[in-house]
Amino acid sequence: NAGVTQTPKFQVLKTGQSMTLQCAQDMNHNSMYWYRQDPGMGLRLIYYSASEGTTDKGEVPNGYNVSRLNKREFSLRLESAAPSQTSVYFCASSKDGSSYEQYFGPGTRLTVT
Amino acid sequence: GENVEQHPSTLSVQEGDSAVIKCTYSDSASNYFPWYKQELGKGPQLIIDIRSNVGEKKDQRIAVTLNKTAKHFSLHITETQPEDSAVYFCAAAGGGYSTLTFGKGTMLLVSP
Repeated sequence: NAGVTQTPKFQVLKTGQSMTLQCAQDMNHNSMYWYRQDPGMGLRLIYYSASEGTTDKGEVPNGYNVSRLNKREFSLRLESAAPSQTSVYFCASSKDGSSYEQYFGPGTRLTVT
Repeated sequence: GENVEQHPSTLSVQEGDSAVIKCTYSDSASNYFPWYKQELGKGPQLIIDIRSNVGEKKDQRIAVTLNKTAKHFSLHITETQPEDSAVYFCAAAGGGYSTLTFGKGTMLLVSP
């Protein structure tokens, strides 16, 4: 099993450009999450999907959209990138909600210039 | 919403010493408290967790204690080794489909 995979690993965007971060899990988990990690700020939840067909906002959703494409895949889209979105983005999945272990992907390091 | 405070932000110990990281939470409804370890360039990985019906849990050199009355929980690592060097995050969740709120992390450095 690959666990949680994310693409790309690194990306540089110019202000105003758009892009989609891809995430997939092969553990048959119901719940998936997108976090951003900034120095000294810990992990902050952007959006999550408790189960296939549902998505909800987390702590810092502004400037992002998500799609739960199917049970395996959960993508994060930046429609018009801003320098404040420079961060490391992690996708995670869990069996069924936040009271179960979350398995994290390797992360995407995004720089917006 | 939930607020999780974590201390210290950095911790340096000698190999073989013990390390303790402390967290406090604000929401008395929280009932699940995991600890994650993040090595450089990798995603966080769960190392131990505790639920509100238990006061202490151990797994080899790692233990977690929970005081629900005071709303704080701690990670204890004994006989530290250089490979324990990493960033450690505590978190809290209220169960069901509530979300995890993470502390800001503790960088642990274990010197040989």
